[in-house]
Amino acid sequence: DAKTTQPNSMESNEEEPVHLPCNHSTISGTDYIHWYRQLPSQGPEYVIHGLTSNVNNRMASLAIAEDRKSSTLILHRATLRDAAVYYCILSTSGTYKYIFGTGTRLKVLA
Amino acid sequence: NAGVTQTPKFQVLKTGQSMTLQCAQDMNHEYMSWYRQDPGMGLRLIHYSVGAGITDQGEVPNGYNVSRSTTEDFPLRLLSAAPSQTSVYFCASRRTGFNYGYTFGSGTRLTVV
Repeated sequence: DAKTTQPNSMESNEEEPVHLPCNHSTISGTDYIHWYRQLPSQGPEYVIHGLTSNVNNRMASLAIAEDRKSSTLILHRATLRDAAVYYCILSTSGTYKYIFGTGTRLKVLA
Repeated sequence: NAGVTQTPKFQVLKTGQSMTLQCAQDMNHEYMSWYRQDPGMGLRLIHYSVGAGITDQGEVPNGYNVSRSTTEDFPLRLLSAAPSQTSVYFCASRRTGFNYGYTFGSGTRLTVV
């Protein structure tokens, strides 16, 4: 299974954009990139996913490097409720076996 | 829709006891998974299922059994509880297709003494 590497923690000021990086240098051509987040004392929740093109939804944007060896989750205006652990996950097309890493703990400062 | 329902929310077991963690979803999702999360750690995949009657092992399957007799239910059985199995257990489900994400339950906090 392809691995992902994320910083252990990041800080951001409230109402500022946040860019959460993820490296996945061993990604294969059929691996999808998924992002989930886990709020304190809750189960993870889906944020966004993509394959090759950048993706936007109501929660965030996903920017995927042209060589697909890295990606960035973008929160356009961080709020205190965005404080969570963010996980970058790869899944191979045709399977739904997600392997979580340790994620990035995002702290949002008021 | 109730989503993914896990029971119980909390459980204390003695070493050597067995028990079943229940997971049910009412979204007709084909795929279901069990994860465990130890304090301060990420989630680790225990077992998963791609449909009724089909299960497979994840990263840390030892000490756990699963079965999937219906689409809705995916119980996780601890055969002989050990203190190393103290963890928070999450069940998740999703539908077929790559435009959907997993929906997670709220977790079962298990302590083995």
